[in-house]
Amino acid sequence: GAVVSQHPSRVICKSGTSVKIECRSLDFQATTMFWYRQFPKQSLMLMATSNEGSKATYEQGVEKDKFLINHASLTLSTLTVTSAHPEDSSFYICSAPSSLAGGEETQYFGPGTRLLVL
Amino acid sequence: AQKITQTQPGMFVQEKEAVTLDCTYDTSDPSYGLFWYKQPSSGEMIFLIYQGSYDQQNATEGRYSLNFQKARKSANLVISASQLGDSAMYFCAMRELRSARQLTFGSGTQLTVLP
Repeated sequence: GAVVSQHPSRVICKSGTSVKIECRSLDFQATTMFWYRQFPKQSLMLMATSNEGSKATYEQGVEKDKFLINHASLTLSTLTVTSAHPEDSSFYICSAPSSLAGGEETQYFGPGTRLLVL
Repeated sequence: AQKITQTQPGMFVQEKEAVTLDCTYDTSDPSYGLFWYKQPSSGEMIFLIYQGSYDQQNATEGRYSLNFQKARKSANLVISASQLGDSAMYFCAMRELRSARQLTFGSGTQLTVLP
């Protein structure tokens, strides 16, 4: 299957600082990528859709000024958590769609980033 | 609106036995795809299997098979010959193929394989 990388895998930062998370499609191009947030023991919650060359589409309730998304190339999307606070501590995971052998599309996920804001 | 329901928060299975994880869905779109993902404690989401709404046969991938019952709107995952490494969280997901590229996930089922 397609490979998606995510960096860093784990980050601890002080309250008020900004944190950048990178999501890369390694062996395919992705004009669209997705960013999810996951709290412990819960499901994935879609935060935003990242679109190469245009603005991201945010889900209702997600602050676009808080979670800045930039899709600078066909293989890279970044999520910046600005002025992070302890309530932003979570597991952030990205995905990119790619085709299966039968032509249908699935999403391949990065390994995720665990963010802890002190 | 689309909705995915997984009613089993946790399941236990003996090693080498088969286990079925339940998933029901609701959509008004006749064209949709159903997915199962595995999430080990490390957090990565591993794609397991896909079933299209128009597929006539149930999907299979190695030890994984999808029991697709369209009239009941269910898409249960069957894992045969369970292994200790199968212990993980399993998520069912759906995408309405004509209107959305993003997935909607169920709440997940935590599977524990007992030695």
